[in-house]
Amino acid sequence: GAVVSQHPSRVICKSGTSVKIECRSLDFQATTMFWYRQFPKQSLMLMATSNEGSKATYEQGVEKDKFLINHASLTLSTLTVTSAHPEDSSFYICSASRGRAYEQYFGPGTRLTVT
Amino acid sequence: GDSVTQMEGPVTLSEEAFLTINCTYTATGYPSLFWYVQYPGEGLQLLLKATKADDKGSNKGFEATYRKETTSFHLEKGSVQVSDSAVYFCASQGGSEKLVFGKGTKLTVNP
Repeated sequence: GAVVSQHPSRVICKSGTSVKIECRSLDFQATTMFWYRQFPKQSLMLMATSNEGSKATYEQGVEKDKFLINHASLTLSTLTVTSAHPEDSSFYICSASRGRAYEQYFGPGTRLTVT
Repeated sequence: GDSVTQMEGPVTLSEEAFLTINCTYTATGYPSLFWYVQYPGEGLQLLLKATKADDKGSNKGFEATYRKETTSFHLEKGSVQVSDSAVYFCASQGGSEKLVFGKGTKLTVNP
């Protein structure tokens, strides 16, 4: 099956620092990757869609300068939360697909806590 | 915009009980509908899907039927097992191809 990993699974950082989360497709080439954010007892909210080699498309209300997304290869996308603040604490989930019309395969998520 | 509403949890059942998790959607047009399952410590996995009205998706004993007239896609299983304990998400995918998720329903099955 298609496997997507995320690293780290948990991270704690101090307010004002930046943190990078990696999303990897382990056994397939992911043309498209998605980043979601999930608050407690809330649904997954799509933050951005990225296609390999091009700029990410951000959803309305998501600050592109704060949540930097890079999709430099067909197996790796990164999300960098810049100048993190406590309100950025959340569960971040990525998914990957072979293309926009294909099934999305989800990573296990990264729990970010900003102190 | 599109939205998905699913029943609030948590749901606690005994083994072999009947399960229903309600899901309704609002969308322009006719979206594809999905149920995802998230086992503890793992990512979301596609459980089943239906792409048009009256389609029935099924997998691992779970079923859901795409009902256009009631805009619903309720998840059912006749006899749950302890191993079915997980969080279940209903989702829709319309013309924009973005997945819109419900809030998730946590199911606990006791032996």
